[in-house]
Amino acid sequence: AQRVTQPEKLLSVFKGAPVELKCNYSYSGSPELFWYVQYSRQRLQLLLRHISRESIKGFTADLNKGETSFHLKKPFAQEEDSAMYYCALSGTLNSGGSNYKLTFGKGTLLTVNP
Amino acid sequence: GAGVSQSPSNKVTEKGKDVELRCDPISGHTALYWYRQSLGQGLEFLIYFQGNSAPDKSGLPSDRFSAERTGGSVSTLTIQRTQQEDSAVYLCASSFTAGAYEQYFGPGTRLTVT
Repeated sequence: AQRVTQPEKLLSVFKGAPVELKCNYSYSGSPELFWYVQYSRQRLQLLLRHISRESIKGFTADLNKGETSFHLKKPFAQEEDSAMYYCALSGTLNSGGSNYKLTFGKGTLLTVNP
Repeated sequence: GAGVSQSPSNKVTEKGKDVELRCDPISGHTALYWYRQSLGQGLEFLIYFQGNSAPDKSGLPSDRFSAERTGGSVSTLTIQRTQQEDSAVYLCASSFTAGAYEQYFGPGTRLTVT
């Protein structure tokens, strides 16, 4: 079974501090990992995906297959980063099939205090 | 251009009634997904359509739930004999095609079963 675990429901940091949102996964195949973000009163949107290896809004995430993790990091948090963050997974199954649906973690609510 | 739209934005219904939720995907997107967002459960996959292929219904929680997609565009999610545990935000997403393409989410329909 595939599963995404975000161990922290809530994370609070001060502006300018580093932030790390944890994500661990379990998947029987080749995973594609994503971070989605939902700002207050806005729709869910993609923040970044591991295959792009890009930095968006200062956030980066590295896929660590050995630790089955995809933690989201930002060196200096900003107040506008306050939002709900979801880690999600899809990918190719060991059976050879494809799995395009997203399996989400339960989310981490990040609050960046002034 | 226009994003994914959903209607209604809010729906309050009595237990036992049927409801229909509508999703208009982004024009040209062949893949369409339904998810449910509820307190304590996070975001759960419900059903996925890709072009003319048979839909992946593996996430539907019971046979009271069904969905169809007409003409490869608009989709309707139907919940029959609603129960209080069906109360949630129902999200629709579309992507250019299946695979590791970004899924664009709609604003959701908040369903409340009284």
